[in-house]
Amino acid sequence: ETGVTQTPRHLVMGMTNKKSLKCEQHLGHNAMYWYKQSAKKPLELMFVYSLEERVENNSVPSRFSPECPNSSHLFLHLHTLQPEDSALYLCASSLTLTQGGNTIYFGEGSWLTVV
Amino acid sequence: GQNIDQPTEMTATEGAIVQINCTYQTSGFNGLFWYQQHAGEAPTFLSYNVLDGLEEKGRFSSFLSRSKGYSYLLLKELQMKDSASYLCAPIINAGKSTFGDGTTLTVKP
Repeated sequence: ETGVTQTPRHLVMGMTNKKSLKCEQHLGHNAMYWYKQSAKKPLELMFVYSLEERVENNSVPSRFSPECPNSSHLFLHLHTLQPEDSALYLCASSLTLTQGGNTIYFGEGSWLTVV
Repeated sequence: GQNIDQPTEMTATEGAIVQINCTYQTSGFNGLFWYQQHAGEAPTFLSYNVLDGLEEKGRFSSFLSRSKGYSYLLLKELQMKDSASYLCAPIINAGKSTFGDGTTLTVKP
């Protein structure tokens, strides 16, 4: 139990589908993150939220749309994805942004396959 | 990763010691993390350094030299379960960690 829960753990979707990934953290943290990890590639930071406000958007295509309704929940809405978007999507949280050594705690990830 | 350099792969023998180096070029540096990631799993925290010197935690130690932009992770008494990817993650840009490409360590019997 990491304190960061992601659902679903596995998702297969067609290129015309709309789906969402959900992340919930039970750690009382104020910062939440979405990372993408493709096969044999480094972790890519996609989005950062601090106190429910987006503070980072690393040139992510608009077919990925994040939503942070409160400090405990983070969503990643998916629409008209491409096969190359197939990857492991990791949600993470930290007490605040990682200054001062606030550890990032990761969820177990959502494996996404786009067909 | 952005100006973070780690070896891609390393191999070591069970029971041995291995050192994984990381160099980085960043501005606004505010500490450095090391994470371990087993294949198909999420990364897990190993260590955090913000001051120069060595931090020891059981079989794992991490070293930082801020002036040289250099860190290493030292793993002692290697076990088979230590086979994993090790990610160097300096904290830059107002507190957002950036991850290196990771070093894949293979421990052999």
